[in-house]
Amino acid sequence: EAQVTQNPRYLITVTGKKLTVTCSQNMNHEYMSWYRQDPGLGLRQIYYSMNVEVTDKGDVPEGYKVSRKEKRNFPLILESPSPNQTSLYFCASSPDRAGYQPQHFGDGTRLSIL
Amino acid sequence: AQTVTQSQPEMSVQEAETVTLSCTYDTSESDYYLFWYKQPPSRQMILVIRQEAYKQQNATENRFSVNFQKAAKSFSLKISDSQLGDAAMYFCAYRTPGETSGSRLTFGEGTQLTVNP
Repeated sequence: EAQVTQNPRYLITVTGKKLTVTCSQNMNHEYMSWYRQDPGLGLRQIYYSMNVEVTDKGDVPEGYKVSRKEKRNFPLILESPSPNQTSLYFCASSPDRAGYQPQHFGDGTRLSIL
Repeated sequence: AQTVTQSQPEMSVQEAETVTLSCTYDTSESDYYLFWYKQPPSRQMILVIRQEAYKQQNATENRFSVNFQKAAKSFSLKISDSQLGDAAMYFCAYRTPGETSGSRLTFGEGTQLTVNP
């Protein structure tokens, strides 16, 4: 089954404790992206990747890191999480970098930073 | 920068009736894509419908259709014969084509749709 898989689905942690949210897609998509969803703000892009070893900042990259060492994986790293990073996070992938093909989304990761 | 505005935080509709969700956007581009995504309580993001700006014909997918007014920068979603399963948060999204913009989707704030039996 074609899918984007995020782990974990839920995480409660404390300020300053490094965490990684994994994202993997099995569709051989070139393009991957991370979004965060907050009430009243919709989804905002954090980082994106056009291909292996190619990543760039989205609209809200502060406090986050990403890497794209393999085509299928695009982990989101919070080196020193803070309470304002409490949010619902989505990973997405797309077969084309130009954006015509719709993005496929993972099921989301709910992060709570205390 | 492009912005997308959904001015209706909440909407409700009776089952079997029709409802229209509003979306406006701001852009200086002439070519772009517009999307409506549905997010049910399961949190999945499900593509409902998409529209290419260069196409004058409004997109339709079964009970879902759009009213695309390019000059007014308006992209509303009409749901006909509403069903209980249509209850969800609906997001309007904008995308400029081309690799240089990084395939970024700009989302509106969302409209929570309730369907009453």
